[in-house]
Amino acid sequence: DAKTTQPNSMESNEEEPVHLPCNHSTISGTDYIHWYRQLPSQGPEYVIHGLTSNVNNRMASLAIAEDRKSSTLILHRATLRDAAVYYCILSPRGSNYKLTFGKGTLLTVNP
Amino acid sequence: DTEVTQTPKHLVMGMTNKKSLKCEQHMGHRAMYWYKQKAKKPPELMFVYSYEKLSINESVPSRFSPECPNSSLLNLHLHALQPEDSALYLCASREGGLPNEKLFFGSGTQLSVL
Repeated sequence: DAKTTQPNSMESNEEEPVHLPCNHSTISGTDYIHWYRQLPSQGPEYVIHGLTSNVNNRMASLAIAEDRKSSTLILHRATLRDAAVYYCILSPRGSNYKLTFGKGTLLTVNP
Repeated sequence: DTEVTQTPKHLVMGMTNKKSLKCEQHMGHRAMYWYKQKAKKPPELMFVYSYEKLSINESVPSRFSPECPNSSLLNLHLHALQPEDSALYLCASREGGLPNEKLFFGSGTQLSVL
């Protein structure tokens, strides 16, 4: 299984942008990059996903390196409600339904 | 309805008990997942059902027995658990097996084994 590597923790101030990195150097050409986050005492929730191009949605932006070996989740203006563990996951093509979580990044947002 | 509903939210059981966790979704998703999450650790994949058939078992001990009675329902039957099985059990669903499909998670069942 392709693995992802993320920093254990990051800290940000409220209303500032946050860039959460993820390395996935063994990604295959057809793997999608997904990001989920888990707020305290809740199940993970979907944030964003992409294949090659940068992606934007109402929650965040996803910047994917040209060689696809890394990606960055961008929260444009962090709020206290964004404090969570953020997971970067590779989603393979084919009949493989396996989705394996890495260790994730604990984001702390300071008021 | 974009919810995955898990019941019960909390469960305390003894090592000789038999109990079941339930997960339900009405999104027409054909892939359903069980994950186990220990405190301050990432979710670990246990089982995957696709089109109501077990497609992945991550070498989970037989004291955990999954069941998918229909396309909307997923159960996890528990028997003779150990205290180290205490964890948050998360259910998730996905439309099918395409890599651009997102997972929808329930809020989990917090299990304590005494």
